[in-house]
Amino acid sequence: EVQLVETGGGLIQPGGSLRLSCSASGFTFSSAFMSWVRQAPGKGLEWVSVIYTDDSTYYADSVKGRFTISRDNSKNTLFLQMNSLRAEDTAVYYCARVSLLNWFDSWGQGTLVTVSS
Amino acid sequence: EVVLTQSPATLSLSPGERATLSCRASQSISFYLAWYQQKPGQAPRLVIYDASNRATGIPDRFSGSGSGTDFTLTISSLEPEDFAVYYCQHRHNWPWTFGQGTKVEL
Repeated sequence: EVQLVETGGGLIQPGGSLRLSCSASGFTFSSAFMSWVRQAPGKGLEWVSVIYTDDSTYYADSVKGRFTISRDNSKNTLFLQMNSLRAEDTAVYYCARVSLLNWFDSWGQGTLVTVSS
Repeated sequence: EVVLTQSPATLSLSPGERATLSCRASQSISFYLAWYQQKPGQAPRLVIYDASNRATGIPDRFSGSGSGTDFTLTISSLEPEDFAVYYCQHRHNWPWTFGQGTKVEL
C-alpha cells in the first residue's frame, strides 16, 4: 500500500524558512515522480512543484526562486525547502506521487504551514 | 497559463440523481485533463485521468468526456459517499493548474 507522510509544518514568521519532508513507502520511490500541491484554508488546490527521476524540477511561478524541491532516494524521502515565506504561502502542503502519465495518483494527508507574525 | 473554469460552483442533488460537472480550459489542452474528488478533512483522490479513464478503484458510475477545451465529469447515480468537492486539473504545459472546484452537495 502506498503511504506518504508529510512532516515539518508549523507556524513561521514572514520572511522565514521551513523545510517540509515526505516519507514514502509501499512503492519504489527512486523510480517515482513526486510533487507538492498546496491548499490555502478554505480554498482550492494549487500545484507547487514536481521532481522527476532524473532530478529535473519545475515550479509554479508563485514559488519560483523561493522554494526548492529535492529528494533522497536512499531515505525514500521528498523535501520542500521554503524560503522567504509570505502570508500567502499559508496552506496545507500535500506530497503526491505523480504517475508515469503525470497525474497525482497518491496523496499524503498534508502538513499545515502558517506564515504569520 | 491555462485557466480552468469549473461550473457550476455548487450542485445540489439527491442520492440516485445524475451529476454533470463542467470544466472549460482557456486554450486547447487536448485530452490532458484529470478530475479529483476531495472530501472534508481529506486529501484529494484521483478519479479520472486523460479526460476519460477511470483511476484504480473508481466505480463505473463515474465517467469523463471531452477534449480540447470542454470537459465533463458525470456521476450517473449519486451515492452518499460521492458528495464532495471535485477539481479538474491539466498537464498540457507548465504550470499545471487546477480549476476552482465544484461542490456536489446534498
